[in-house]
Amino acid sequence: EAQVTQNPRYLITVTGKKLTVTCSQNMNHEYMSWYRQDPGLGLRQIYYSMNVEVTDKGDVPEGYKVSRKEKRNFPLILESPSPNQTSLYFCASPQGIGELFFGEGSRLTVL
Amino acid sequence: GEDVEQSLFLSVREGDSSVINCTYTDSSSTYLYWYKQEPGAGLQLLTYIFSNMDMKQDQRLTVLLNKKDKHLSLRIADTQTGDSAIYFCAEALDSSYKLIFGSGTRLLVRP
Repeated sequence: EAQVTQNPRYLITVTGKKLTVTCSQNMNHEYMSWYRQDPGLGLRQIYYSMNVEVTDKGDVPEGYKVSRKEKRNFPLILESPSPNQTSLYFCASPQGIGELFFGEGSRLTVL
Repeated sequence: GEDVEQSLFLSVREGDSSVINCTYTDSSSTYLYWYKQEPGAGLQLLTYIFSNMDMKQDQRLTVLLNKKDKHLSLRIADTQTGDSAIYFCAEALDSSYKLIFGSGTRLLVRP
């Protein structure tokens, strides 16, 4: 069964305290991406990766970093979180052509 | 630029049909998607349609694509209370896996 697994699912942190949200997929696909969801804005792409060691900015990359050292993992790093990064984050990866699967989401609150 | 628009809210009575509409602007879209998000949950891929198709049916779901008008719709037959959720329309651009999302339509099914 195709799975995209994110951790943690919920996190409350304070401004400036570095955090990482992990993402792992079992579809053995080259492509992975991160989105954030905010009310009234739908989902917007933060970063994506076409393959191992290949990452690119999406539409809203400011304040985020990513890495892709292995095919199955694509962590999202917030070096110095700020309150405007309070959001619901989704990792995504395809299974085959056209079917983009999303993880369960990670709800982050930055105080 | 790229833009996907949906109405914000739809209310129907249980047993009726629901039709959720979406318009998009980019004519190079390859796939168009419908995702469902239940309260507190992640994004569930409901169905998708390739841009050279006009219609796709999957049990209670019917997707209609009018490429000339850049209009996509999702019809849910015999709507149930379990169908209450937010429905997101999304388009994939230029054979990539990047999705542009609408802001979501909240469907409320009244008993």
